[in-house]
Amino acid sequence: KAGVTQTPRYLIKTRGQQVTLSCSPISGHRSVSWYQQTPGQGLQFLFEYFSETQRNKGNFPGRFSGRQFSNSRSEMNVSTLELGDSALYLCASSLRASGQETQYFGPGTRLLVL
Amino acid sequence: DQQVKQNSPSLSVQEGRISILNCDYTNSMFDYFLWYKKYPAEGPTFLISISSIKDKNEDGRFTVFLNKSAKHLSLHIVPSQPGDSAVYFCAASLGDYKLSFGAGTTVTVRA
Repeated sequence: KAGVTQTPRYLIKTRGQQVTLSCSPISGHRSVSWYQQTPGQGLQFLFEYFSETQRNKGNFPGRFSGRQFSNSRSEMNVSTLELGDSALYLCASSLRASGQETQYFGPGTRLLVL
Repeated sequence: DQQVKQNSPSLSVQEGRISILNCDYTNSMFDYFLWYKKYPAEGPTFLISISSIKDKNEDGRFTVFLNKSAKHLSLHIVPSQPGDSAVYFCAASLGDYKLSFGAGTTVTVRA
């Protein structure tokens, strides 16, 4: 079974631009979560989607948004990019992400904001 | 507010010996704990998990121990192999679809 895929793998943007990242979960998984990894803050939860609905959101500004499609694929968008948004963005999927369930991660998208 | 802490940023161990990684948490409501392994420029790879109703779980060379009274969990890797050299993260869940991660421990296995 194919794992979680994320596109693109690398991205360079300039301040003020916006970016859209894509995630395809493991087949059959309906929950998709997004995390940001930076050297200073570690792995931080952004948000989680299930059946096209956001169920939980982390402490990030409104510039960070996401959505999920009916086939469970998800996108996250960052508008008005800042230098501090440079990070590895990770997507994880699980069957339902309810209670005690393992989340499986994709390879990540490395975003560099200049 | 860091609810999951890995106080040892690095660990060096000889090949064939035991690696012990530690993790402490502050929120007694966490009910599911996981360990992930991560190589540079890759996503975390799931290793092993444990429910709060258990105190031990084994999977091959990996064993996770949970001490709820101390709010402490540990990962034992026996025997350590060169391919185990990576960053290890512990994570905890409240059942709210969100994982809280520790800062990670870099393991180096020496030949």
